[in-house]
Amino acid sequence: ETGVTQSPTHLIKTRGQQVTLRCSSQSGHNTVSWYQQALGQGPQFIFQYYREEENGRGNFPPRFSGLQFPNYSSELNVNALELDDSALYLCASSLKVGSGQAIYGYTFGSGTRLTVV
Amino acid sequence: QKEVEQNSGPLSVPEGAIASLNCTYSDRGSQSFFWYRQYSGKSPELIMSIYSNGDKEDGRFTAQLNKASQYVSLLIRDSQPSDSATYLCAVIRAGGTSYGKLTFGQGTILTVHP
Repeated sequence: ETGVTQSPTHLIKTRGQQVTLRCSSQSGHNTVSWYQQALGQGPQFIFQYYREEENGRGNFPPRFSGLQFPNYSSELNVNALELDDSALYLCASSLKVGSGQAIYGYTFGSGTRLTVV
Repeated sequence: QKEVEQNSGPLSVPEGAIASLNCTYSDRGSQSFFWYRQYSGKSPELIMSIYSNGDKEDGRFTAQLNKASQYVSLLIRDSQPSDSATYLCAVIRAGGTSYGKLTFGQGTILTVHP
C-alpha cells in the first residue's frame, strides 16, 4: 500500500509567478484535502476535492485553485504569488463513504516547502 | 475566539515525566478529535484519535475527551527525548461543507530533556 506522495519537496518562486503542486493519494482513498502551514502555525484548510469536484473551501482567495483527477491524484495551483504564500503545503488523502458522510484514514503527505522571494 | 486553542508553550519536561497537552474547541458540532505529532520540517503524524467522552489509551499515550466542557487532552507517560516535537490538536465537525475539514490548533512545542 503506497502512502501520500507530494512533489516537488521544495521550490523557490518569485512574487507574481504561478506554481503547481502535485499530490498522489493513498491507494483506496478518494478524497484529497490541501492545507497551508505557515511557520509556527497549525495547518490551515485550503480546500477539499471529492469525485473530482471542490467539496469545501477555507478562507483562501480564488487565486488558490485545484484539480482532482480520475485516479484521485490532485494539483494545487497558486497564481500571482505573494510573499505571504511562503509556507509548507500539505496534501492529505482520505476515504469518504456513504454519500460522503463518513470519512476515514486521513493521511498526510510529506509536504512541499514553497518559498516566495 | 479561535476555533481550536492549545495551551501555550513551549512545554519542557524531564525524561520519564508525564507531559500534559490541552486543547479547547469552540464548535459544539465537532465530532472527531485528533492529536498529531510533527517533527521540525516534517508532516503531521497521527498519534491518537478519539470520538466519545472519556479516556482512550494507546501505549504511553492517553487521550481524554469532555464534550460538555469542549476540552480534549493528551497525556504522554514516561516521556522520552524522542517525544520532543510540536503536538497539534485537530477536530472535524459533522455536516455541511466543512465536513471532513480538519481544524487545527496552533500547536504546542514539547521538549523532553534528559
